[in-house]
Amino acid sequence: KNEVEQSPQNLTAQEGEFITINCSYSVGISALHWLQQHPGGGIVSLFMLSSGKKKHGRLIATINIQEKHSSLHITASHPRDSAVYICAVLALQGAQKLVFGQGTRLTINP
Amino acid sequence: GAGVSQSPSNKVTEKGKDVELRCDPISGHTALYWYRQSLGQGLEFLIYFQGNSAPDKSGLPSDRFSAERTGGSVSTLTIQRTQQEDSAVYLCASSLEAGASSYNEQFFGPGTRLTVL
Repeated sequence: KNEVEQSPQNLTAQEGEFITINCSYSVGISALHWLQQHPGGGIVSLFMLSSGKKKHGRLIATINIQEKHSSLHITASHPRDSAVYICAVLALQGAQKLVFGQGTRLTINP
Repeated sequence: GAGVSQSPSNKVTEKGKDVELRCDPISGHTALYWYRQSLGQGLEFLIYFQGNSAPDKSGLPSDRFSAERTGGSVSTLTIQRTQQEDSAVYLCASSLEAGASSYNEQFFGPGTRLTVL
């Protein structure tokens, strides 16, 4: 079992829908990243959080440390949101290196 | 530039050749990371540099892989005697100082797509 599990692996939705991507992890962490990877490979960090909730525009990220779970929400989704969304955690124990989920491929149709 | 830069953006090489991939981190960032993303696979950690400390090489897949960071800035990832399974996108990231009690957000470069024929 991977240390970081994301669901769903693939998600297709219509423009305007509310999107939720989930991330569960099995180790104690000091931080969690949500990353966005567009076709062509470039990776952008959307959020880094260690507790609570953060919001940037239409994107919201939440984390529950006790339940070892984080969610990424997209409100009023748009075709330009189509990308792979990756959850990555920094474990409390061990080296300063991110452990990545397998990613969720999101497709928003117009 | 304002972000992490990597070169080349694409590299095609023949099996058995050596390749060098370069990463220029954001100015002032003392932590530098190399990751690999194979086709259809997730990202995996390769190596981490923090200031003048010994690098964490725990993610390097074989002794054909090595990396150095000169002057605390530019880093070079070298793959010797390349194999077809080395084909992947190699990503570099940098952050402000990271340590046992601190962690800062990582900023990713655009990656180098390596194809070994």
